[in-house]
Amino acid sequence: TQLLEQSPQFLSIQEGENLTVYCNSSSVFSSLQWYRQEPGEGPVLLVTVVTGGEVKKLKRLTFQFGDARKDSSLHITAAQPGDTGLYLCAGGGLNTDKLIFGTGTRLQVFP
Amino acid sequence: NAGVTQTPKFRILKIGQSMTLQCTQDMNHNYMYWYRQDPGMGLKLIYYSVGAGITDKGEVPNGYNVSRSTTEDFPLRLELAAPSQTSVYFCASSYGAPRTEAFFGQGTRLTVV
Repeated sequence: TQLLEQSPQFLSIQEGENLTVYCNSSSVFSSLQWYRQEPGEGPVLLVTVVTGGEVKKLKRLTFQFGDARKDSSLHITAAQPGDTGLYLCAGGGLNTDKLIFGTGTRLQVFP
Repeated sequence: NAGVTQTPKFRILKIGQSMTLQCTQDMNHNYMYWYRQDPGMGLKLIYYSVGAGITDKGEVPNGYNVSRSTTEDFPLRLELAAPSQTSVYFCASSYGAPRTEAFFGQGTRLTVV
C-alpha cells in the first residue's frame, strides 16, 4: 500500500512569512503532483515533477522532488492571503495506474 | 466547456438505501477516478478506470461499485448506505498515466442518516 504523509497538517501564518510543506512516503513514485483545493471546489493542479532532484518554480512557489523519488516539498515565499487553501500532494506509482493523494496541509494566511 | 460534471451536488440518504453518483467528462480522457474526502482530510481513492470496460479497486472500495461502459461516463454505486459513507465524493479524469493533470468535478456532498 502506497501512503503519502504530509506535514504539517495545519499551518497558520501572517502575510509575508515563508513556509514549507512536506510530502513523504516509504514508496517510490514515478511522479509527484501538487494540487490546491479551495472550499467547495475540486483540487486544481499546481505542478508535476517527474525526475528525482527536480526543482520547479511557479512565481513564489518552489517545488522539489526528492532524489530517491519518495518525497517532495512545497516552499512558499512571502505568503499572501490568496495562498490560503488545502494543499495536496499526489503520486503515481511505479507499476500502477493509481493516483494516490496525501493527507493534506491546510494553510491559513492572515493579513 | 463542461469538463467533469457530477450529479447530484447534494444528497441525503437513509441507512440501507442505495444510490448512484453520476460522473461524465467531455474531454475524451481515458483515465477516470472516484475519491472520497472526509472533512479537512486528503482524498481516498475508491475505484479507478483506465478505459471503457476496465475498472479496478483503489484504497477504499468496500461498499461501492463502479462500471465504465463508455469513455465519457463513470458512475459510482452505493449499495446499503451506511453512516461511514457520509463524505464528499469527487470524480476526476485525466488523459493518460497518473503523471498527467487530473481534472476534478465539483463534488457530491452525501449525508447518510
